[in-house]
Amino acid sequence: GAGVSQSPSNKVTEKGKDVELRCDPISGHTALYWYRQSLGQGLEFLIYFQGNSAPDKSGLPSDRFSAERTGGSVSTLTIQRTQQEDSAVYLCASSSRSGTKSGANVLTFGAGSRLTVL
Amino acid sequence: DQQVKQNSPSLSVQEGRISILNCDYTNSMFDYFLWYKKYPAEGPTFLISISSIKDKNEDGRFTVFLNKSAKHLSLHIVPSQPGDSAVYFCAASEAGNTPLVFGKGTRLSVIA
Repeated sequence: GAGVSQSPSNKVTEKGKDVELRCDPISGHTALYWYRQSLGQGLEFLIYFQGNSAPDKSGLPSDRFSAERTGGSVSTLTIQRTQQEDSAVYLCASSSRSGTKSGANVLTFGAGSRLTVL
Repeated sequence: DQQVKQNSPSLSVQEGRISILNCDYTNSMFDYFLWYKKYPAEGPTFLISISSIKDKNEDGRFTVFLNKSAKHLSLHIVPSQPGDSAVYFCAASEAGNTPLVFGKGTRLSVIA
């Protein structure tokens, strides 16, 4: 697609429920990133996929969070047993740069999925 | 431990004047620095970047300055326009495809 597409744009859920957030990156982009922005905070890195390599999960805040990327394209971020502190905007980004290239790693972001946990 | 810090949460500037947004970092391994701009309900969009081997990069009204010894960079916007009103994020990365590390952002308001 022309840009990074995320769905849903808004999700309201009850505490304890599971949620799935979807990201469709720019076609041909090999790297995909998930970040979240809580109220008044910066962008917090969650997880990163590069091609067929094992994902970098170092930013996931707890084992309730997981993500997968199927066929090197679409990614789903799953939050199990949601808590109120999970409320945030979840942003997906993709990049065309492979790990061996030089230059700035410019990420293109989607509009985000706003999650509200009641 | 915040590796990228934007100490001013907000900045207000008159239209036509210069806007200066500041950013400090602690990790000397950072290889590239980037600035992103974010409007409400939209994702951040890339503005400009600078390599750690440079001290200045200019693109139209936007110039980024890097002072490596002070671990400080700044974004200058001149002249400032009302459409520049947004939240500006400073970001940095080490070499390769390592994830960008972001600051908390500075909200710029350009007053007509």
